[in-house]
Amino acid sequence: AQSVTQPDIHITVSEGASLELRCNYSYGATPYLFWYVQSPGQGLQLLLKYFSGDTLVQGIKGFEAEFKRSQSSFNLRKPSVHWSDAAEYFCAVANQAGTALIFGKGTTLSVSS
Amino acid sequence: NAGVTQTPKFRVLKTGQSMTLLCAQDMNHEYMYWYRQDPGMGLRLIHYSVGEGTTAKGEVPDGYNVSRLKKQNFLLGLESAAPSQTSVYFCASSYPTGYEQYFGPGTRLTVT
Repeated sequence: AQSVTQPDIHITVSEGASLELRCNYSYGATPYLFWYVQSPGQGLQLLLKYFSGDTLVQGIKGFEAEFKRSQSSFNLRKPSVHWSDAAEYFCAVANQAGTALIFGKGTTLSVSS
Repeated sequence: NAGVTQTPKFRVLKTGQSMTLLCAQDMNHEYMYWYRQDPGMGLRLIHYSVGEGTTAKGEVPDGYNVSRLKKQNFLLGLESAAPSQTSVYFCASSYPTGYEQYFGPGTRLTVT
């Protein structure tokens, strides 16, 4: 069965420091992968997606993610974190039928000054 | 262009009461979804619809019913609310294949 694991429940990063959020997936074929962000009290906003092609994908708000098939990973990165990046981040994979997204349990990012 | 909207935003129910959550989208999407979000659990799919007049069960369908009478609307019903249904409910929509979903702002439901 498909699944998504986000190993880190909570991460704290200093403002201006770099960020990497980890995501591992379980899927037999080429996965369709997503990162979403949820600010407090808000819905989910799509940051970026990977369908095929270049394994380094760029998203909104200065985020990028790298797909590594050999490691079954799709880690999210940002070179310099801003206080406004404090939020919850979800990694997701589309199911084989294309009828649902399977989400990880999320990583909460706190930004310290 | 409002995207995906949900009503109500907040609701408190007593155990055994019923209610309906409304989701509306103006993007002409074929697919629509209902998720619930609980602390430490991520989002879990309750029901989904791949077109007007069709619905299907997701991962956690028990205790919920849905209807998709119009393409732009997807209703989630709780016939007899239970405290275990206290959650934040999100609606989403997408083009066919569901590969990029757009989410509503959520409904926070408390069942006492």
